[in-house]
Amino acid sequence: ILNVEQSPQSLHVQEGDSTNFTCSFPSSNFYALHWYRWETAKSPEALFVMTLNGDEKKKGRISATLNTKEGYSYLYIKGSQPEDSATYLCAPLEYGNKLVFGAGTILRVKS
Amino acid sequence: DADVTQTPRNRITKTGKRIMLECSQTKGHDRMYWYRQDPGLGLRLIYYSFDVKDINKGEISDGYSVSRQAQAKFSLSLESAIPNQTALYFCATSDRTGRDTQYFGPGTRLTVL
Repeated sequence: ILNVEQSPQSLHVQEGDSTNFTCSFPSSNFYALHWYRWETAKSPEALFVMTLNGDEKKKGRISATLNTKEGYSYLYIKGSQPEDSATYLCAPLEYGNKLVFGAGTILRVKS
Repeated sequence: DADVTQTPRNRITKTGKRIMLECSQTKGHDRMYWYRQDPGLGLRLIYYSFDVKDINKGEISDGYSVSRQAQAKFSLSLESAIPNQTALYFCATSDRTGRDTQYFGPGTRLTVL
């Protein structure tokens, strides 16, 4: 089982601030990296799936990068809005087609 | 209508009782999963199934069993519930393409007294 670490555990920012989180994992034994967004009282929803070293994905104000050689991924949110408040989960897809989820980063955006 | 549904949404039960959580999907996916979520921990995989005849244990399968009744249905059973099985349980599905993006149900909050 991969050991997946996400930092920080939680983050409080003001509306309009830009922020980023980190997901760290062993740099081998996986072939994709997933990011999910989980709002309170809802289900986790997929944000990005990345597979290649140097891969970058973007959806609106949210973007993510992947470094497979050193085993990390960054998620960036530009100009945070209150509706961005959620828990952001990363999950490497390890061989055997199983996701291994980190504990998540809780983001709270104050207006 | 939701693509992945779970019943019940909330359940309170007593230690020693048998509980079944059900999951149904209309996405036509072959792969289905059961996770549990505890505060401060990530989603942990209990069981997963890649098709009707393929069922596999996940990271924390002890105390649980599953049944894949059809492509669309995957049930999780707690044979004799204990208090440390109190958690939020999610069912998820994925297909063979799209790098296994998973689609989650709404969750079942289970409390074992």
